[in-house]
Amino acid sequence: GESVGLHLPTLSVQEGDNSIINCAYSNSASDYFIWYKQESGKGPQFIIDIRSNMDKRQGQRVTVLLNKTVKHLSLQIAATQPGDSAVYFCAENTDQAGTALIFGKGTTLSVSS
Amino acid sequence: ETGVTQSPTHLIKTRGQQVTLRCSSQSGHNTVSWYQQALGQGPQFIFQYYREEENGRGNFPPRFSGLQFPNYSSELNVNALELDDSALYLCASSPGQVNSPLHFGNGTRLTVT
Repeated sequence: GESVGLHLPTLSVQEGDNSIINCAYSNSASDYFIWYKQESGKGPQFIIDIRSNMDKRQGQRVTVLLNKTVKHLSLQIAATQPGDSAVYFCAENTDQAGTALIFGKGTTLSVSS
Repeated sequence: ETGVTQSPTHLIKTRGQQVTLRCSSQSGHNTVSWYQQALGQGPQFIFQYYREEENGRGNFPPRFSGLQFPNYSSELNVNALELDDSALYLCASSPGQVNSPLHFGNGTRLTVT
């Protein structure tokens, strides 16, 4: 079916480490992917996106990698900080009209100092 | 630039009642989407509005309905509330281009007793 899943529900790292959050998607027709960060009591906050014609995209301290062969998406956070502690969701757009995003269940990142 | 704002932030209703949630889109955005997020889960797509018309709908019953106004603000209405409707309801806006990221508000926490 059309769903986005995450490999690990929780990830604990030390401040300063690099974090890698993984996501597997099932629809090979998906052409757009987004990572969101959600802090407690807030809505999802856009981090970075990538289109299916790319395999890597970099932002400030974050990198998204897309492997279409194995339908895998990852978010890398460099020099993780306590403020990065949150739930991270990957989302895919399977609708060519661009209407609906399908979200995974999320990975909770905990950063200890 | 004003972000997406939602009201109210919290709401308690009784089973069988009706509820209206409100959303003001981000400046310059003409497309509004609504998502339902159950505790511990990722957001689920309810529907999207573009130019005051419903532009896509997820797997939600007809008692979930919406409106978009000429100023691009939007309402989500839920009739005959059920206990399972208890969730965080998120509104997101986007500029209406295919594969552009959604920008979310902080949601309305609805509790049905």
